[in-house]
Formats: sequence, C-alpha cells, structure tokens
Amino acid sequence: SQTIHQWPATLVQPVGSPLSLECTVEGTSNPNLYWYRQAAGRGLQLLFYSVGIGQISSEVPQNLSASRPQDRQFILSSKKLLLSDSGFYLCAWGTASGAFFGQGTRLTVV
Amino acid sequence: AQKVTQAQTEISVVEKEDVTLDCVYETRDTTYYLFWYKQPPSGELVFLIRRNSFDEQNEISGRYSWNFQKSTSSFNFTITASQVVDSAVYFCALSYFGNEKLTFGTGTRLTIIP
Repeated sequence: SQTIHQWPATLVQPVGSPLSLECTVEGTSNPNLYWYRQAAGRGLQLLFYSVGIGQISSEVPQNLSASRPQDRQFILSSKKLLLSDSGFYLCAWGTASGAFFGQGTRLTVV
Repeated sequence: AQKVTQAQTEISVVEKEDVTLDCVYETRDTTYYLFWYKQPPSGELVFLIRRNSFDEQNEISGRYSWNFQKSTSSFNFTITASQVVDSAVYFCALSYFGNEKLTFGTGTRLTIIP
C-alpha cells in the first residue's frame, strides 16, 4: 500500500534562516505531489504541485520554493524564513480517488 | 473560481448526540469532486469520503453519513451517536474533475463533550 512520509514533525527556526522540508512517497510511481500550508485557525492553501521530476507549479507568490529531484521526493525550501512563514505544512499525493496527506510539519519562525 | 464555505466555525455537542456539519460550495464546472477530511489533534488529514458530481446518492459508512444536494450546492456530513473520538476539525474540499488540486473550506472544529 502507498504511504507518505514527511519530516520533521516540528521545527522552530529563527527569522532569516533557511528551510528544508522533505516528503517522500512509497508504493506508487510518478505520483502527483502537493504542498499545502495551514495557517493558525485557517483552512489549507495549496502552495505547490508537481506532476513529475523537475516539474513544479506555484499557486501563490511567496517566500518559499519547491523542488522534485526524484520521482517520489518533494522538497519545500526557503533561503530566508519570515515570521509569516509559520504554519502547518502538509505534503500530499493525489490520485483519482482523492488526496492523501502526510503527518505534517509544524513550523514556528521566531 | 471555486469556493467552499463551512459556516460553522465551532460546534460542541454532548456525546451520543447526532451532529451535522454543513458544507456549501461554488463552482462553474459541471463535473467536480467533493471531499471530507478529518484533522484530529495530531494534525494529519484523514480522508473520509469523495463524491463526484454525477452521484447524488447519499452515502452511509457506520455512524457517518453524507448528504449531497446539487440543487443547493451542499455536501453535508452527519455523525450519528457521536463519540469523544470524533472530536476534530473537519474540512470539506472541492476539486475539478481530473484535477487533484483541492480547494478547502476553513474547517469546522467539532468537540464532543463526554
């Protein structure tokens, strides 16, 4: 069966520091992958999606970037974090049946 | 543009009561999918159901049931005989047919009081 792994679970970073969140999927090939962000008390917002290696689409302008170096690996990055980047980040893979999510990373920028 | 509205920000009910979570959506597409997800305190999103726009049959899964009405653009979720373990934030979401990008509502925080 397919599983999705996301790490770290929690992260506290100072303003201006870099960020790298990693997501990997097992049990499927060529998945469509997504990064969502959930700000405190709000719904989820799609940040990036990828339909294949090296193919990244950005949904909203922001301080973040994404990369897909391997078929089942999706990375969310930032060169310099802002306070507004704090939130709960969720990686997901999509199928015709729906989107399935990782356990999320709670990022606090201080 | 797509939009999903969950007007109920927070709901509290006593255990064993039934509770309905409302979801109203807007889309210009004739073909689309609707979803419900559960987010327990641990944070991960748990997939509950997907319904396509051609299937208006209500669905029941144990204590959970879903009522899809295209005429009112609603996809409501009912929990029967609620339990403390049902306490979570519930999200309704919408996607275009063949497009997996989800538009989420802002969620409803459900608290079941023992």
